[in-house]
Amino acid sequence: AQSVSQHNHHVILSEAASLELGCNYSYGGTVNLFWYVQYPGQHLQLLLKYFSGDPLVKGIKGFEAEFIKSKFSFNLRKPSVQWSDTAEYFCAVNVEYSGAGSYQLTFGKGTKLSVIP
Amino acid sequence: DTAVSQTPKYLVTQMGNDKSIKCEQNLGHDTMYWYKQDSKKFLKIMFSYNNKELIINETVPNRFSPKSPDKAHLNLHINSLELGDSAVYFCASSQDSAPPEAFFGQGTRLTVV
Repeated sequence: AQSVSQHNHHVILSEAASLELGCNYSYGGTVNLFWYVQYPGQHLQLLLKYFSGDPLVKGIKGFEAEFIKSKFSFNLRKPSVQWSDTAEYFCAVNVEYSGAGSYQLTFGKGTKLSVIP
Repeated sequence: DTAVSQTPKYLVTQMGNDKSIKCEQNLGHDTMYWYKQDSKKFLKIMFSYNNKELIINETVPNRFSPKSPDKAHLNLHINSLELGDSAVYFCASSQDSAPPEAFFGQGTRLTVV
């Protein structure tokens, strides 16, 4: 079964600092990769996704992520964080479930980002 | 228009009660899901329905029963609620055509007292 590891449980940064959140997955086949953000008290929103093509994907709010197949990684980056980026960030991998034509989205445990003004 | 909507947003109930959470999507998607987010923010899939048929049924107590009257709705019924059921439950939907992207509802915060 696929799994997703997020190495950082809680990251604390000052505004304008650069951000990199690690994500590794374990699955031998073709994967679709996502980063979701959950602002306090809110639902999950898609930040960015990778399906195929250019391994460097750009998302909303200045976020980007790089898919490195050899490392099974999909790290999230932002050059300069803002206080409003304070949220929980989830990496996820989507694989086809048992050939049933249905897809199962498996999440990492999340990384809490706190940005200090 | 809200793409994936859940009701209620908050639910406080006593142990032993039976409750339902409703979910509707207006995106025309074929697949709907229920996820549970525990107090540590860990998200785990519970069920997946594809065109009203159960596809994924993870290790979930049989007190939890999903019902899909049509492909736009996936309700979650919980019998004999326990303290450990307290969590945020998220409904999501995606289109069958690969690669799929899941859209999430606002979540239902269930508190069992």
